[in-house]
This record gives sequence, C-alpha cells and structure tokens, in this order.
Amino acid sequence: EAGVAQSPRYKIIEKRQSVAFWCNPISGHATLYWYQQILGQGPKLLIQFQNNGVVDDSQLPKDRFSAERLKGVDSTLKIQPAKLEDSAVYLCASRRRGGGDQETQYFGPGTRLLVL
Amino acid sequence: DQQVKQNSPSLSVQEGRISILNCDYTNSMFDYFLWYKKYPAEGPTFLISISSIKDKNEDGRFTVFLNKSAKHLSLHIVPSQPGDSAVYFCAASVDAGGTSYGKLTFGQGTILTVHP
Repeated sequence: EAGVAQSPRYKIIEKRQSVAFWCNPISGHATLYWYQQILGQGPKLLIQFQNNGVVDDSQLPKDRFSAERLKGVDSTLKIQPAKLEDSAVYLCASRRRGGGDQETQYFGPGTRLLVL
Repeated sequence: DQQVKQNSPSLSVQEGRISILNCDYTNSMFDYFLWYKKYPAEGPTFLISISSIKDKNEDGRFTVFLNKSAKHLSLHIVPSQPGDSAVYFCAASVDAGGTSYGKLTFGQGTILTVHP
C-alpha cells in the first residue's frame, strides 16, 4: 500500500510571495489532515477534512492560509502572502475512517518551507 | 495553552538499557493516547497507543503506561537499540462520541539518542 505523498519536499520563497503544497493521501482514506511543525515543537493541526468537507479549521490563519480537497482525494494547502514565521514543515496525514474509531493517522514526509 | 507536554527535550541512553520517555497532559477529556517516532526528513510514524480504559499496553520492546489520576503517560523501550534514536512525540485525542474525527494534540517531542 502506497503511503501519503507530498510535494514539493522543499521550498524556499521570499516573504510576501505565495506558495502551494500538495498532498495525496492513502487510497480510500476519508479523513485528511494538514499540520504545521515549527522547529523544536510538535505538529499543530491546521485543518481537517472528512471526504471533501472541512471538519475543523479553527487553528488555520484564514487571512493568509487556505486549503481545499475538491474531490475528496488529494488536497492543496496555500499560503498567500507568506510571512517569516511561516517557516516550518507542513505535514499531511490521512486516516481510513471518520470519528469514533481509534485509528492511526499516517503521515507523509512533509514539505519543508523556508521564508526569507 | 500547551495541553500535552514533554518536559525533557532530550534523553541519552546506553544500548541495551531502558529508555523512559514521559508525557503529561492537562485536558481531562483526552481518552486516547499515542506515541509517534520521527526520523530526520521523514514524517512521524505511529509506534504504540493506549485507550483511557487501560493502564498499560505492550508491543514487543515498547510499553506505554497511563496514569489517569496523575494525567501522565510514559513510553518504555527495553532493550534500547541505536536504531531507536529519533524524536518521540506524545499525542492525545478526544475520541468519545465520534465527533473529533481523530484530532491529535502533540507534545513538543523528546530527542532520544541510544549510544552503542
């Protein structure tokens, strides 16, 4: 079974530029998550999808971050415009089913973003 | 508001000895706990989990203990091997009722180094 795929693996941009990250979850996984991991900290949930609907985006800075999962499969996360403090690893994870089951989240390798 | 805390940024252990990684939480609603392991340039990988109805769960060399009254859990690795050297994250979720869709709150991580 193929794992969670993410691209690009690395991205360097200047502040105020825009950037987009792509995630393809494990086939058949209904729930998809985007996390932000700042150096020295644990991953922090940004947004959570169940199929193509948003379940939780309470920690997403909506003035500059957006995400979509149009067909309930792959997803994109966009930052526009980027700030220095957005430098982090952006992790995508997926899980087979929705709520109520204690199922494992599987993580992709992440996209490392550096904002100069 | 750090609901999950790993107060030891790093731990160094000799090969063959026991590694004990600790985690504290403040949210009494958490009822499912997980440990993830992360190597450099890779996403976190699931290691072991425990439900709040248990106080111990074992999987090979890995055992997780949960003390609900103290809001504390620990991961024991016996015997430790050099390949166990990685960052270990404790995570927690509120799973009751099936409404959280598996949202995880992570600790800051502990860097484990196992010396040959």
